[in-house]
Amino acid sequence: GENVEQHPSTLSVQEGDSAVIKCTYSDSASNYFPWYKQELGKRPQLIIDIRSNVGEKKDQRIAVTLNKTAKHFSLHITETQPEDSAVYFCAASTSGSARQLTFGSGTQLTVLP
Amino acid sequence: EAQVTQNPRYLITVTGKKLTVTCSQNMNHEYMSWYRQDPGLGLRQIYYSMNVEVTDKGDVPEGYKVSRKEKRNFPLILESPSPNQTSLYFCASSFQPSTDTQYFGPGTRLTVL
Repeated sequence: GENVEQHPSTLSVQEGDSAVIKCTYSDSASNYFPWYKQELGKRPQLIIDIRSNVGEKKDQRIAVTLNKTAKHFSLHITETQPEDSAVYFCAASTSGSARQLTFGSGTQLTVLP
Repeated sequence: EAQVTQNPRYLITVTGKKLTVTCSQNMNHEYMSWYRQDPGLGLRQIYYSMNVEVTDKGDVPEGYKVSRKEKRNFPLILESPSPNQTSLYFCASSFQPSTDTQYFGPGTRLTVL
């Protein structure tokens, strides 16, 4: 089955700096890669996703890149703000699969004021 | 309001005492699943359901049961809870199982003494 590894497990950045979280996946058939944000005590919520026919996707200060050859994808947050502090999870899945997502282990991002 | 609800939100119980965590969604989603979240392990899928009366095991199904008698409800049953089932549990639903936004419930914090 799919295995998703996520690094780093914790990340601290100064407000205004950029943050990068990286994930690798094992199943070459995976073609959907979402990122979820979980604020303290809250439920995970989708912030951005990318499909395998696209190499990069942006949404304001957030971007995701995908390298299918290397089987890795990354989340980039620019101009970080304190409200970006949260746990971020990457995930991978295959369209048409009955299984839902396989998640990474999470990254605790702390944005220091 | 479109939402996924879970009850109870917090539960402390003792080893061996059967319990049920309810999950309900009002978005007419066909696909529902249960995850457990443990520090450093991310979100791991316990069971999933593609439709009424159709359920299957996820990555960590041991010690759990589920049922899907109605489209909107997907209860998680622990017939004989053990301390290693102490965790944070999330129910999720979506239109598609693998390439669609997962909508998570608020979570259930379970402690088994």
